Amino acid sequence: AAGVIQSPRHLIKEKRETATLKCYPIPRHDTVYWYQQGPGQDPQFLISFYEKMQSDKGSIPDRFSAQQFSDYHSELNMSSLELGDSALYFCASSPDRPDTQYFGPGTRLTVL
Amino acid sequence: EDKVVQSPLSLVVHEGDTVTLNCSYEVTNFRSLLWYKQEKKAPTFLFMLTSSGIEKKSGRLSSILDKKELFSILNITATQTGDSAIYLCAVESYNTDKLIFGTGTRLQVFP
Repeated sequence: AAGVIQSPRHLIKEKRETATLKCYPIPRHDTVYWYQQGPGQDPQFLISFYEKMQSDKGSIPDRFSAQQFSDYHSELNMSSLELGDSALYFCASSPDRPDTQYFGPGTRLTVL
Repeated sequence: EDKVVQSPLSLVVHEGDTVTLNCSYEVTNFRSLLWYKQEKKAPTFLFMLTSSGIEKKSGRLSSILDKKELFSILNITATQTGDSAIYLCAVESYNTDKLIFGTGTRLQVFP
């Protein structure tokens, strides 16, 4: 069965650069969630989208933005990268907002 | 292909019952297995297991890993309504540096 796809798998950037992470939900899933997991920490909820509209907002920095496109894939744009942005970024999708979230494999971002 | 399978998908019990959640995996270069509890938004960490046969315990929750048979169980004794959540199992791999999540077990505890 198709799973959540995230790209790239690994990304290395320097401080003050920008990065774009992509998430492709499971087909027919209309809700996408973004999480940030720092080393040894729980995943922190960043933002979610339902039917291409932002549905909830968590601890997403102002330097980050995200959107969900007409094909339901989502992109997380990160600007003015800081060392503290180094983390594993997970995307999850669900077929309906209160339903089970299916997690992608994550994108590991390293900021040097 | 690496995968993590959890069972059951859903479980409904009464307060005071004991439940056992299962997680089986197929991962190359296994590093660790993690259990999370997800109530509303982000999952919260419960246990990390790296060695077979060593039980991790926290209050009414306990977990154990069997690296030979490639599975882990999460036990919750004397369940309470506050235990209602989705319990996620995830496996870390050394070579790919990724965390693979199962689809979770939805536990509902009724008074």
